[in-house]
Amino acid sequence: EVQLVQSGAEVKKPGESLKISCKGSGYSFSSYWIGWVRQMPGKGLEWMGIIYPGDSDTRYSPSFQGQVTISADKSISTAYLQWSSLKASDTAMYYCARQSTTTRPFDIWGQGTMVTVSS
Amino acid sequence: QSVLTQPPSVSGAPGQRVTISCTGSSSNIGADYDVHWYQQLPGTAPKLLIYGNGNRPSGVPDRFSGSKSGTSASLAITGLQAEDEADYYCQSYDSSLRSSVFGTGTKVTVL
Repeated sequence: EVQLVQSGAEVKKPGESLKISCKGSGYSFSSYWIGWVRQMPGKGLEWMGIIYPGDSDTRYSPSFQGQVTISADKSISTAYLQWSSLKASDTAMYYCARQSTTTRPFDIWGQGTMVTVSS
Repeated sequence: QSVLTQPPSVSGAPGQRVTISCTGSSSNIGADYDVHWYQQLPGTAPKLLIYGNGNRPSGVPDRFSGSKSGTSASLAITGLQAEDEADYYCQSYDSSLRSSVFGTGTKVTVL
């Protein structure tokens, strides 16, 4: 079965760092893009950025460039989304999703990771 | 801010037909990039509903259909059912932003 499994919910304080993960299985992880999507409470979907694990080609939405870092380790079929200094406004559900090319649909989604940032 | 605009909500009685519009511009839908649609049931991850403007993945009922014309696309749900109550999002690629973009989202309510 093709699936993406994300790491569990996180509760952090402002200023702390965080790295969440997305592990793929059931397909050639290196051959598909992995994108990250933010959904703030009660709001819509926002595309954050994407990485091709095969060569680590990474692209960011202008809205998220410099705010987060996307990486991947193809040896363990895992993509990451990380923050160096969290803000309360980073509180959201984060989804990873698979694309075959950057213009194709996100056909497989992870279950989501809830990140709560509160003092 | 989303570059693809959808109506915030649509509603219909069971069995009726509803449509959701997705309006873009010359740098995304109008540039001939495909439009894809997702269904997000409450408390769950989005699920691919329509890809490549009008194609259904395996398992998606044929009550759902998609179309595209010019700088807009539409999702139609015929024979509306209670289980269709969800949020729906369109998605495409934008050549100016060099990124995927999502629509603002539409909540479908079954009366």
